[in-house]
Amino acid sequence: SQQGEEDPQALSIQEGENATMNCSYKTSINNLQWYRQNSGRGLVHLILIRSNEREKHSGRLRVTLDTSKKSSSLLITASRAADTASYFCANSGNTPLVFGKGTRLSVIA
Amino acid sequence: DGGITQSPKYLFRKEGQNVTLSCEQNLNHDAMYWYRQDPGQGLRLIYYSQIVNDFQKGDIAEGYSVSREKKESFPLTVTSAQKNPTAFYLCASSIGQGTNEKLFFGSGTQLSVL
Repeated sequence: SQQGEEDPQALSIQEGENATMNCSYKTSINNLQWYRQNSGRGLVHLILIRSNEREKHSGRLRVTLDTSKKSSSLLITASRAADTASYFCANSGNTPLVFGKGTRLSVIA
Repeated sequence: DGGITQSPKYLFRKEGQNVTLSCEQNLNHDAMYWYRQDPGQGLRLIYYSQIVNDFQKGDIAEGYSVSREKKESFPLTVTSAQKNPTAFYLCASSIGQGTNEKLFFGSGTQLSVL
């Protein structure tokens, strides 16, 4: 299957803590994208990391990519209640994008 | 205000009925997509279109049909052949289909069976 697998499936943390979620593929990774979905809404693009990059930052987000392990991680620092959402990775090597099942993050105030 | 508009937000289907979900974009994007999302699950691709008057089946196309007569419009019909249509349907678009293209999503349509 080309579908990514996110880990953990669900994560619950206190406001101010960091949240880390991982994504792995069985196929090779080209460029990797992360998306966020608030409940009952569409997905919103967060960040793209290219295959020749190992780490990328955007505000409170930090994404890493290990193409040899076919995996990526998304770190959200100093989490806020508003970060509560589902987070999905998508391998840009697949066109159209193939999404995993996502990680459901709950940030408790 | 640019973006993707899906309508209706909620839709109910009776047994044996075909229903059509609307998706319109004013982003001037060439590529458009339909995904299905079941509760607690990821997105599965139904159909996609890279250019007007052309479209391809995704992973779960059976029981669905699409058309792409205009660049800005990509309606999805859920036919009576789709026996389990209850799901959240998401439409998306991208400038093209290169490996760096990001998808822009609509707000979704929740389809339920009466």
